[in-house]
Amino acid sequence: NAGVTQTPKFQVLKTGQSMTLQCAQDMNHNSMYWYRQDPGMGLRLIYYSASEGTTDKGEVPNGYNVSRLNKREFSLRLESAAPSQTSVYFCASRPGGVRGNTEAFFGQGTRLTVV
Amino acid sequence: QQQVKQSPQSLIVQKGGISIINCAYENTAFDYFPWYQQFPGKGPALLIAIRPDVSEKKEGRFTISFNKSAKQFSLHIMDSQPGDSATYFCAATVTSGTYKYIFGTGTRLKVLA
Repeated sequence: NAGVTQTPKFQVLKTGQSMTLQCAQDMNHNSMYWYRQDPGMGLRLIYYSASEGTTDKGEVPNGYNVSRLNKREFSLRLESAAPSQTSVYFCASRPGGVRGNTEAFFGQGTRLTVV
Repeated sequence: QQQVKQSPQSLIVQKGGISIINCAYENTAFDYFPWYQQFPGKGPALLIAIRPDVSEKKEGRFTISFNKSAKQFSLHIMDSQPGDSATYFCAATVTSGTYKYIFGTGTRLKVLA
């Protein structure tokens, strides 16, 4: 069982470059999330998708865009990378539905460095 | 009001000792409180969770204590082992509506052999 798969695992970008972080889950989950993890800051929600076809901003959406391509895939795009976006990015999914199963499953993370 | 405050930031415990991590929240609408465990280079994984209708939940060596009136909850790891060395995150969410998880800042636990 693959669970939540993120690609790439590591990436170095130059300031101003763009890139898309990919996330796919094979658990038929409805809800998907993108978090960033920074030292001393915990996990902060960037964007989430409660169900296929919907996306909403989280705590720190500035500088990012998302696409819920289908039920399996939820991508995160950096249009013009900045050093402040250096972080570890995690995608997560949950079975979903209101009051649905509560456990969120996380991917292995993408370590992004912007120089 | 959406914050979850977690302490301590780091913790060192001797093997066999008790590890205690505390969290506090403000939003009384939160109704699900999970703890996640994260090993280096891995994503967080659910360890144990509690709903506010109970004051304690135990799974093996891991116990959540929940104080609804104080809006606090804590994770106790009994008989701590070196394999428990990891970062622990508390979280909270409202299980109706959009179901966003709000995480604490994390506690890095090191258990000495």
